[in-house]
Amino acid sequence: ELKVEQNPLFLSMQEGKNYTIYCNYSTTSDRLYWYRQDPGKSLESLFVLLSNGAVKQEGRLMASLDTKARLSTLHITAAVHDLSATYFCAVEGRGGADGLTFGKGTHLIIQP
Amino acid sequence: GAGVSQSPSNKVTEKGKDVELRCDPISGHTALYWYRQSLGQGLEFLIYFQGNSAPDKSGLPSDRFSAERTGGSVSTLTIQRTQQEDSAVYLCASRTYQETQYFGPGTRLLVL
Repeated sequence: ELKVEQNPLFLSMQEGKNYTIYCNYSTTSDRLYWYRQDPGKSLESLFVLLSNGAVKQEGRLMASLDTKARLSTLHITAAVHDLSATYFCAVEGRGGADGLTFGKGTHLIIQP
Repeated sequence: GAGVSQSPSNKVTEKGKDVELRCDPISGHTALYWYRQSLGQGLEFLIYFQGNSAPDKSGLPSDRFSAERTGGSVSTLTIQRTQQEDSAVYLCASRTYQETQYFGPGTRLLVL
């Protein structure tokens, strides 16, 4: 059974600071996703990571994947209030037939 | 272009009633997924369609849940004899090959 663990589950930080969210998964997988969810809203796709060593960046967010360690990180640089949201990592197995297995999410609050 | 749409956006029903939730995927997306999001269980994968077929229905929580997809497009998720534990947000996602899953806005179901 594929399991996905995120940490921390809750993070409060100040604007301008850097921080990293970690995502560990239990079995080999084809791809890893990061999503953002704002309160009362649906999931917004941030990154899809397809291979070992993959790194993707969008604005102040950067995601990386280490398939040997079964670890992905989402790094936040110089945080701003607008990045406050819940961030989920998700792993896909069996070529998509099993859907995505999600972590519990990291609730991020960025304070001015 | 148009994203994934779901209806109704909110549904309040009485215990024991049947409900039908609808998902209209992005045009041309052959893969369609249903998920459920609740406070206690987080995000759970329910079922996957490739075209009109669902190879594996084991993710559905009970035999009160069924899903179909017609014409390779619209999908409906039906819950019979609803129970209070069915209260959740039901999310639909679609994608084409090798892409991320794009999520709809969800249907918030409350069973009284």
